[in-house]
Amino acid sequence: GAVVSQHPSWVICKSGTSVKIECRSLDFQATTMFWYRQFPKQSLMLMATSNEGSKATYEQGVEKDKFLINHASLTLSTLTVTSAHPEDSSFYICSVGETQYFGPGTRLLVL
Amino acid sequence: GENVEQHPSTLSVQEGDSAVIKCTYSDSASNYFPWYKQELGKRPQLIIDIRSNVGEKKDQRIAVTLNKTAKHFSLHITETQPEDSAVYFCAAENNNDMRFGAGTRLTVKP
Repeated sequence: GAVVSQHPSWVICKSGTSVKIECRSLDFQATTMFWYRQFPKQSLMLMATSNEGSKATYEQGVEKDKFLINHASLTLSTLTVTSAHPEDSSFYICSVGETQYFGPGTRLLVL
Repeated sequence: GENVEQHPSTLSVQEGDSAVIKCTYSDSASNYFPWYKQELGKRPQLIIDIRSNVGEKKDQRIAVTLNKTAKHFSLHITETQPEDSAVYFCAAENNNDMRFGAGTRLTVKP
């Protein structure tokens, strides 16, 4: 399967700051990547579909101006949580490929 | 859109027993049904999948069955071991749109 990396693996930030999370597909050219959020003891919730060279497709209820997605190349998608607040604290996971090979996830804690 | 329901939410079995997790989906156009295992704090890992043109698939101790007419699919784990303890998610996909079930926390007691 595809090898997917994410950086950083965890981040702690103050409320109001922006946080950028990178998702890299190391051995698979992905025209599409997916961003999920997972709260403790809950399922994976799709936030948006990242499309290489075009705008991301956001799920209903996900603010596109708050969660900026950039998919500049076939191997890299970034998710920027702008003006983060404590309620944004979560586990953010990206995936690539039809069978959804997941990155290791990024644990975000906003103080 | 697709809606996936998963039961039970928690399942505790004795080592060596079988475990069955069931999921239903709503979108008849869904054609790909993977199962993921997620250990605490780690990424979900694909353990088995099935496509809509197949009714059953087996891989060692793990099997998945699909009933397209009833729109439900199940994960079967036989001869469970303590290392099978994890959260298991089912999912249904149609055209790159994948929706997950709520998850089942499986505990295998030694």
